[in-house]
Amino acid sequence: EAAVTQSPRNKVAVTGGKVTLSCNQTNNHNNMYWYRQDTGHGLRLIHYSYGAGSTEKGDIPDGYKASRPSQENFSLILELATPSQTSVYFCASGTGGAAAETLYFGSGTRLTVL
Amino acid sequence: QQQVRQSPQSLTVWEGETAILNCSYEDSTFDYFPWYHQFPGESPALLIAIRPVSNKKEDGRFTIFFNKREKKFSLHIADSQPGDSATYFCAGTGNTGKLIFGLGTTLQVQP
Repeated sequence: EAAVTQSPRNKVAVTGGKVTLSCNQTNNHNNMYWYRQDTGHGLRLIHYSYGAGSTEKGDIPDGYKASRPSQENFSLILELATPSQTSVYFCASGTGGAAAETLYFGSGTRLTVL
Repeated sequence: QQQVRQSPQSLTVWEGETAILNCSYEDSTFDYFPWYHQFPGESPALLIAIRPVSNKKEDGRFTIFFNKREKKFSLHIADSQPGDSATYFCAGTGNTGKLIFGLGTTLQVQP
């Protein structure tokens, strides 16, 4: 069973503060992704990674950084949080490669920036 | 720009009816088209997927119909059940490997 674990489940932050969202996967998947989900916008890709040490910009990377220190862990960092970053954030892992990729999502982190 | 478009935004059907959810795409290099579903309060999960070598893919009550010439595909849910009520996302991907999701269709099945 694919396992992607996100922490924290809920987070309240203040404007201008630093926020780190963590993701751990035990699937040994190469690819990992960070999405945010907002009503009317669907799932939007923020950053992704093809393996340890690599990070790539997704479709909406501004205001976010990512870190992939190991195969298992992928973090999303908001250096200066703003209210517009209030959202639900999903991490996902995927096998990658030439085969069609299935994404396995974590349970999500609900972030509120006041 | 929205590379994968979904319609309708919301859909209500009666139990037992067939729900039809539509998607279209722009990038002709896309070669893999999955549908994900997301129940309230849960995370998205893969439901069914198709490659353009086929124009139809079935899995139980769920069927994808694919029209490569028109760059359209649809998800048909036969004999809809209240438990099918969820948000459904179509997606496409090509040589970049990145999945591009549509904005979603919220399906409500009334008993």
